[in-house]
Amino acid sequence: GENVEQHPSTLSVQEGDSAVIKCTYSDSASNYFPWYKQELGKRPQLIIDIRSNVGEKKDQRIAVTLNKTAKHFSLHITETQPEDSAVYFCAATSNAGGTSYGKLTFGQGTILTVHP
Amino acid sequence: GAGVSQSPSNKVTEKGKDVELRCDPISGHTALYWYRQRLGQGLEFLIYFQGNSAPDKSGLPSDRFSAERTGESVSTLTIQRTQQEDSAVYLCASTFGGISSYNEQFFGPGTRLTVL
Repeated sequence: GENVEQHPSTLSVQEGDSAVIKCTYSDSASNYFPWYKQELGKRPQLIIDIRSNVGEKKDQRIAVTLNKTAKHFSLHITETQPEDSAVYFCAATSNAGGTSYGKLTFGQGTILTVHP
Repeated sequence: GAGVSQSPSNKVTEKGKDVELRCDPISGHTALYWYRQRLGQGLEFLIYFQGNSAPDKSGLPSDRFSAERTGESVSTLTIQRTQQEDSAVYLCASTFGGISSYNEQFFGPGTRLTVL
């Protein structure tokens, strides 16, 4: 099955700096890579996603890049703000076993702290 | 409309007792997922429903865990003879359908289970 590794486990930045979180995946058949943000005590919420036919996607201060050859994808947050502080999870879908549904395998999460 | 809801929000039980966790997905969402999130960890897939059927139960940790879904709506996750290692937040998510792996999963707030 799919295995997703996420780094770093914690990331501390100053307000206004950029933050980058990286994930690698094992299943070359994975074709969808969402990123979720989970604030303390809250539910995970999708912030951005990318499909395997695209190399980069941006949404305001957030961008995601995908390198299919190397099987890694990254989340980039620019001009960080204190409200960006949260746990961020990457995920990948796997079609292992012939399934075609959105079974997500999640990374272990990155605790991002943005200091004012 | 309303998002995914789960009940109870918190459950404290004694080791050996059975517990039932409930998930109400977004109306019209045919696919439903259960995840387990241990403290400081990522989301661990448990089971997937398409309609009332569960084509993938591969994540259920043991035969003490079971789940059902009725009316293509409400789902219950049952843990029998709870153990301390079952303590975690149990998250439910739903999507429009199971065929595409691109569908955003909408998460519920979770049930925090504590086994004493």
